[in-house]
Amino acid sequence: AQSVTQLGSHVSVSEGALVLLRCNYSSSVPPYLFWYVQYPNQGLQLLLKYTSAATLVKGINGFEAEFKKSETSFHLTKPSAHMSDAAEYFCAVSGSSGNTPLVFGKGTRLSVIA
Amino acid sequence: SAVISQKPSRDICQRGTSLTIQCQVDSQVTMMFWYRQQPGQSLTLIATANQGSEATYESGFVIDKFPISRPNLTFSTLTVSNMSPEDSSIYLCSVESGYGYTFGSGTRLTVV
Repeated sequence: AQSVTQLGSHVSVSEGALVLLRCNYSSSVPPYLFWYVQYPNQGLQLLLKYTSAATLVKGINGFEAEFKKSETSFHLTKPSAHMSDAAEYFCAVSGSSGNTPLVFGKGTRLSVIA
Repeated sequence: SAVISQKPSRDICQRGTSLTIQCQVDSQVTMMFWYRQQPGQSLTLIATANQGSEATYESGFVIDKFPISRPNLTFSTLTVSNMSPEDSSIYLCSVESGYGYTFGSGTRLTVV
């Protein structure tokens, strides 16, 4: 079975500070890993995806994530937080087949303080 | 990537009634996935729908409560039956579309 654990249900950073959202995965097969963002009262938007190519994945809006097999981690980072980054962030895992569903972490709410 | 049209976007329903949610995809896909997002929570998989066969339900979800139809490779419906206030949630459909998983915009259901 696959699962992800997001450390910290709520993270608060100052505008311009580093954003670090943590995600650890558990998978018996090589995983595909994803980060999604959900703005208030909106749908899910894909930030980035890891599919066993480059371990450092760059996504939209300046976010990136690094796959570390030795640590079973896929943490999301952004060098400088903007007020517009305030949202809920979900880490998710799937198998390598598109016929398997995503399994989501519990989510991390990011607040950005001016 | 695929585009999903989901409707209705929201509804307020009386307890004991049923609501059918529709998802239309702009391309053919093998599997469609249905999720529930309870208030302030993450997404939980309800079931996987494969065209031409019975949907596969996750633990805690049953066909009598959440019947699913998958008549072709671009369309699926989820019905929330005999609703109670505990069913108030956002319901989303999803498909894998080559680059990542695409989600419908969601159906925000309130049961009163």
